[in-house]
Amino acid sequence: GQSLEQPSEVTAVEGAIVQINCTYQTSGFYGLSWYQQHDGGAPTFLSYNALDGLEETGRFSSFLSRSDSYGYLLLQELQMKDSASYFCAVRSTDSWGKLQFGAGTQVVVTP
Amino acid sequence: DADVTQTPRNRITKTGKRIMLECSQTKGHDRMYWYRQDPGLGLRLIYYSFDVKDINKGEISDGYSVSRQAQAKFSLSLESAIPNQTALYFCATSDQTEPNQPQHFGDGTRLSIL
Repeated sequence: GQSLEQPSEVTAVEGAIVQINCTYQTSGFYGLSWYQQHDGGAPTFLSYNALDGLEETGRFSSFLSRSDSYGYLLLQELQMKDSASYFCAVRSTDSWGKLQFGAGTQVVVTP
Repeated sequence: DADVTQTPRNRITKTGKRIMLECSQTKGHDRMYWYRQDPGLGLRLIYYSFDVKDINKGEISDGYSVSRQAQAKFSLSLESAIPNQTALYFCATSDQTEPNQPQHFGDGTRLSIL
């Protein structure tokens, strides 16, 4: 089966940097995605890593290490609007378009 | 207008009632999904469909059924609702040809079963 672990909550001040770790166990790993969800709203896609390394998109970056079954999402120059839940999600080779989501990390940004 | 539209947005009903949640999309995607979200449990897949003639169970399909009426429409039914099906339900779509194959979510249906 598949399982993902990520911290339940992280708190940081505006302007700071936050790293959200995600470890996974799955057979036939294909890629790791990250989604953002503001309180009760629609989840929105942030990034996807299929290969080892860092992908940067503006203030957000995502990293993957396939050998360590580990990835992280890095949020830089935190803004109040970044307060949200962040989910990692695994795509495996036996599920193709399907995603298995982690339980989510709530990021609280304080002034 | 939203690309993925869910109706209703909110629903309160009683135990034992049959309920249908509807999802329509204008993105032209072949793949559609139904998820359930409970506090602290993230998103769990109920059913998914990779094209009009394809329906597959997800990890928590018991108590639910789906219908893919057209490429653009995918509905979720609760045949006899029970209180532990109270949750936030999301529909999503994806396109296998889109880079990174992101899933595009509707705004959700908040369902309460009394």
